[in-house]
Amino acid sequence: SQQGEEDPQALSIQEGENATMNCSYKTSINNLQWYRQNSGRGLVHLILIRSNEREKHSGRLRVTLDTSKKSSSLLITASRAADTASYFCATDAFGYSTLTFGKGTMLLVSP
Amino acid sequence: NAGVTQTPKFRVLKTGQSMTLLCAQDMNHEYMYWYRQDPGMGLRLIHYSVGEGTTAKGEVPDGYNVSRLKKQNFLLGLESAAPSQTSVYFCASSSSGTGRDGYTFGSGTRLTVV
Repeated sequence: SQQGEEDPQALSIQEGENATMNCSYKTSINNLQWYRQNSGRGLVHLILIRSNEREKHSGRLRVTLDTSKKSSSLLITASRAADTASYFCATDAFGYSTLTFGKGTMLLVSP
Repeated sequence: NAGVTQTPKFRVLKTGQSMTLLCAQDMNHEYMYWYRQDPGMGLRLIHYSVGEGTTAKGEVPDGYNVSRLKKQNFLLGLESAAPSQTSVYFCASSSSGTGRDGYTFGSGTRLTVV
């Protein structure tokens, strides 16, 4: 399966700290995306990084991509309680016509 | 500013009953998807559509059927519900199959089969 695997499965931090989540995948990709899911809600698209990019920023989010290691990381700086959610990576892989989602990282940010 | 709307939001079915889940999008997206989400399993693709009148199987299509008679609607049917189909179902849409602009998700349908 091309499915990405997030690590860790769960992460608990204090407000103001940085949160880092990782995603590994198996085959070559066109792009990799990160999504957030608040409890009981649908997924929301956060950021997309293309295979020829190494780093991308969006507000307090920083995404890196290492295609040689087939891995990506999502960094949320200065976390807030409102960042509490599950975070999923999704890969657009060569030969696949749809995105493939990982199982997610549950992030808990305590006040 | 509706995006993707799913109905119903909750449903309890008895084993063997049938039902249809409706997904509607107002973004003129060509692609639409049905996923199920189970604890520890992440999101798994059931069926998808690349345009009006088309459907294709995803990772876990057994026990489900779909139809895309109108571009804005994507229906998911369960002909004879089983307890294994207890799950949260999400519909999504996108302008491209690989989501160059990301997938837009609905808020989900929580289905329990007893």
